[in-house]
Amino acid sequence: EPEVTQTPSHQVTQMGQEVILRCVPISNHLYFYWYRQILGQKVEFLVSFYNNEISEKSEIFDDQFSVERPDGSNFTLKIRSTKLEDSAMYFCASSGSGAPLHFGNGTRLTVT
Amino acid sequence: GESVGLHLPTLSVQEGDNSIINCAYSNSASDYFIWYKQESGKGPQFIIDIRSNMDKRQGQRVTVLLNKTVKHLSLQIAATQPGDSAVYFCYMKTSYDKVIFGPGTSLSVIP
Repeated sequence: EPEVTQTPSHQVTQMGQEVILRCVPISNHLYFYWYRQILGQKVEFLVSFYNNEISEKSEIFDDQFSVERPDGSNFTLKIRSTKLEDSAMYFCASSGSGAPLHFGNGTRLTVT
Repeated sequence: GESVGLHLPTLSVQEGDNSIINCAYSNSASDYFIWYKQESGKGPQFIIDIRSNMDKRQGQRVTVLLNKTVKHLSLQIAATQPGDSAVYFCYMKTSYDKVIFGPGTSLSVIP
């Protein structure tokens, strides 16, 4: 069964550094998402992406965040200048039209 | 907006018993609901979904019930097994593509 894959599984970075989290969505999906989950808390929506543009974003997704689909297979989340409070699990998801989201297993981001 | 909370309810059930996990929502525009299961160290995994034109849907060992009048969604797991131990999230979506997760319920199965 096709699945969403995310790399790396764990990323450690220093405060102020840029990080890029990578995702390969399911190949025939058209909608792409990033969520995050701070330890012990619920899964929070960050951004949705369709037709090469952001379709919706949350208040968490400020100017420090950006997403890109650089080619036909990858979907990336960039954090320009990481803060301690960016430490969380970041989940990528994809879906077809009107279908449930399929999630990857996440990247654990630790900002020190 | 949606009601949110950081407290994670916990449900402990004996292996073989039935489990019922509940989720309340406040946005009456929500028209698509999904239950996800999240095991430790993994991403949310799709279990079952239901649209607002239905009030019940059954899968393998799972049943989702939707009561639009009181804005309540439940997940019933029959004959709960140790492998069902996880955090369960309800997810709701409006026709305007706004995606919201509920706070989650931790299910612990006692062998």
